[in-house]
Amino acid sequence: KAGVTQTPRYLIKTRGQQVTLSCSPISGHRSVSWYQQTPGQGLQFLFEYFSETQRNKGNFPGRFSGRQFSNSRSEMNVSTLELGDSALYLCASSFQLAGVARELFFGEGSRLTVL
Amino acid sequence: DQQVKQNSPSLSVQEGRISILNCDYTNSMFDYFLWYKKYPAEGPTFLISISSIKDKNEDGRFTVFLNKSAKHLSLHIVPSQPGDSAVYFCAASSGGSNYKLTFGKGTLLTVNP
Repeated sequence: KAGVTQTPRYLIKTRGQQVTLSCSPISGHRSVSWYQQTPGQGLQFLFEYFSETQRNKGNFPGRFSGRQFSNSRSEMNVSTLELGDSALYLCASSFQLAGVARELFFGEGSRLTVL
Repeated sequence: DQQVKQNSPSLSVQEGRISILNCDYTNSMFDYFLWYKKYPAEGPTFLISISSIKDKNEDGRFTVFLNKSAKHLSLHIVPSQPGDSAVYFCAASSGGSNYKLTFGKGTLLTVNP
């Protein structure tokens, strides 16, 4: 079956702009988690959505937000972009809440560059 | 506050030898540990996991050891193959409704032919 699909794969923005990233989970998976990967910090948890509700949130400012649709697809938005937001944003899905499923299935990521 | 630490940013081994990747954690509430492998331009893929009720889990060439008293786990790859060259992330969770995977910063493994 198809894996986790993230779009766009690459994008370039300038400071102050906003960006929306999309994630389609594996068919049947209801949980979507978002992670930010940077060379210095590794993988950091942003938030998890399950059944259209945010279930858990990491330590990121309010500029980072997300939502989940009834078909489990998820989007994350970053407003007022800063240079430090340049990173690989990874989406991961699981059938149950991540805390129950434990193992997550990751997409290939969206590479954001902020100039 | 880095709760999962991979102190070796990189490791280089010869093909056929053993690769040992290490991971330390500080949160005693962690009860489940995973290793993910990541190739460039790809997302991380699950490799192997271990519950805190065990001290060893084996899957083919991959074995994970857990030492709870030392809050330390390690991944052994025997024998190492060039295709194993990737970044390896250690991750830990405490489960429950407040679950989130806490990752280490990763170790780049290079297996030389």
